[in-house]
Amino acid sequence: DTEVTQTPKHLVMGMTNKKSLKCEQHMGHRAMYWYKQKAKKPPELMFVYSYEKLSINESVPSRFSPECPNSSLLNLHLHALQPEDSALYLCASSQGPLSGRAVGEQYFGPGTRLTVT
Amino acid sequence: RKEVEQDPGPFNVPEGATVAFNCTYSNSASQSFFWYRQDCRKEPKLLMSVYSSGNEDGRFTAQLNRASQYISLLIRDSKLSDSATYLCVVNLGSTGRRALTFGSGTRLRVQP
Repeated sequence: DTEVTQTPKHLVMGMTNKKSLKCEQHMGHRAMYWYKQKAKKPPELMFVYSYEKLSINESVPSRFSPECPNSSLLNLHLHALQPEDSALYLCASSQGPLSGRAVGEQYFGPGTRLTVT
Repeated sequence: RKEVEQDPGPFNVPEGATVAFNCTYSNSASQSFFWYRQDCRKEPKLLMSVYSSGNEDGRFTAQLNRASQYISLLIRDSKLSDSATYLCVVNLGSTGRRALTFGSGTRLRVQP
């Protein structure tokens, strides 16, 4: 069973809506990630938080706004999305860069399946 | 050239077969390597890290060839439950970059 939880599991929103995706982990990990995954494609990195600070933004449009309120929580605020933003949004966490562990040992949440109408 | 390349498959094999996947990466400075598996409509899960000396976990063996810039995954005695997409993942290891690059995945179907 995953130790990274995400809510909601499914979300349908219109292009004018504002919604938020939530992610939580209790493994003491200090790095957290947002990925976007389209059908039959690999996950694409969107954002990385390291020690609660945004360290990587992969040129994601501003209609996606991440937030890390504390070391256990990660949010993704959505506003004015487009139908092509429909995808599975995955949150992941890993031990922080000072842990000595490889950053690639990431633990994923089950994802939020987002549909933009 | 893609940063991480995999044969998309599908690989259709009978139960009990041995199957091998390869993955090539383009950046010789890549520092760490992993295999993840992803079941249909589920999240990716770490299968194993790949070490320079090669490593084995039960029926799974991973190897790294830095000279040729490829990693491999060998699955022995395939089970129906091994059916999944196997993602090759590389940390390109740029200074200060804490992110991964995923291959497009190889789909495995183990058939009775």
